Amino acid sequence: EEQLVESGGGLVQPGRSLRLSCEGSGFIFDDYAMHWVRQAPGKGLEWVSGISWNSDTTDYADSVKGRFTISRDNAKNSLYLQMNSLRPEDTALYYCTKDNAASGRPIGFFDPWGQGTLVTVSS
Amino acid sequence: EIVLTQSPGTLSLSPGERATLSCRASQTVSGNFLAWYQLKPGQAPRLLIYGAFNRAIGIPHRFSGSGSGTEFTLTISRLEPEDFAVYYCHQYIRSQTFGQGTKVEIK
Repeated sequence: EEQLVESGGGLVQPGRSLRLSCEGSGFIFDDYAMHWVRQAPGKGLEWVSGISWNSDTTDYADSVKGRFTISRDNAKNSLYLQMNSLRPEDTALYYCTKDNAASGRPIGFFDPWGQGTLVTVSS
Repeated sequence: EIVLTQSPGTLSLSPGERATLSCRASQTVSGNFLAWYQLKPGQAPRLLIYGAFNRAIGIPHRFSGSGSGTEFTLTISRLEPEDFAVYYCHQYIRSQTFGQGTKVEIK
């Protein structure tokens, strides 16, 4: 069974940094692109960032461009999101999800998803 | 950026009724690169439909997707109690964007 488990969320002050992690299992991790998607309290889903299987392509939502960095370590079956200069509007449940495009490019639909890790940005 | 607009915002229906959810794109979604997801509180989002009309593995036949171009529809033929949730459409032809969601609630 394919599984994704996120970690690293927590309470952080505005302007500070946080690094999220996601470990995948049950599939060949380095065959697929991966993404981060978030859901702010009471809001809908918002795509945050995606990365190709070999890290040569990354993409970001305008709302996080220049502040967040996506990366992966295929040897550890792990995906990361380095979040810098955090703002209160970054408060959300952050999901890790696998891209199903056979090419390994970040251009497919998402399945499966992890349970999410909660990030709260507040003083 | 392709903007997806879902309607209605909330659908109030009874178990056994038919649900029809709409997703309209601001530009043509080439190749029907559109998916639907179900989201319930405390659970991971669940893929229902990909490629506009392909049912994901394990998804009951009462869920169906249709449409092309800029107009897409998710239909639940007969609502079961476990179907009351929020549903999102997602385009993946030009970067990635989601609709704002449709909540299907018990009437």
